[in-house]
Amino acid sequence: AQSVTQLDSHVSVSEGTPVLLRCNYSSSYSPSLFWYVQHPNKGLQLLLKYTSAATLVKGINGFEAEFKKSETSFHLTKPSAHMSDAAEYFCVVSTLQDTGRRALTFGSGTRLQVQP
Amino acid sequence: EPEVTQTPSHQVTQMGQEVILRCVPISNHLYFYWYRQILGQKVEFLVSFYNNEISEKSEIFDDQFSVERPDGSNFTLKIRSTKLEDSAMYFCASIGTGSYNEQFFGPGTRLTVL
Repeated sequence: AQSVTQLDSHVSVSEGTPVLLRCNYSSSYSPSLFWYVQHPNKGLQLLLKYTSAATLVKGINGFEAEFKKSETSFHLTKPSAHMSDAAEYFCVVSTLQDTGRRALTFGSGTRLQVQP
Repeated sequence: EPEVTQTPSHQVTQMGQEVILRCVPISNHLYFYWYRQILGQKVEFLVSFYNNEISEKSEIFDDQFSVERPDGSNFTLKIRSTKLEDSAMYFCASIGTGSYNEQFFGPGTRLTVL
């Protein structure tokens, strides 16, 4: 069974300062991992994904995440926060189905606030 | 850029009524999914659909729920007799053959059961 834990339900940073959103996962085999962002009243947008290629993954809007197998972590970072980054962020692990396709198991989400 | 669309954006219904939530996946995609997100909670998998049949469903997807692909473009989720606890945001997603793991999500339908 797969699971994902987002360690912080809320993170508040000042504009221009670094962002760190933490995620730990458990998986019985090599996982595929994702970060999705959800802006208020909007759908889910893929930020970045890890699928067993490079362990440091770069995504959209300056975000990146590093897959650390020894720590079972996939933390999301950004060097400098922007006001438009304020949103809910979900760490997600893929779950292999009988069909060979994957359904996603979502973390509980981290709400990022960016202060001016 | 192709996108998944969902209608309506907000549906309000009385308890016990039937609702149908509609999704139009990306046109060349073959695998379709429904998820729900109860307010303040995590996104939960409901069901996946391939080749005109359900391929996987969660324990949430009981006999009150059904899915259908009535034509070549729409993918619907029906709740036969809504309960208060069905109030949630419902997301549709689809995968194409070229992106094995990436699911493209629609903007969601907010269902409010009174």
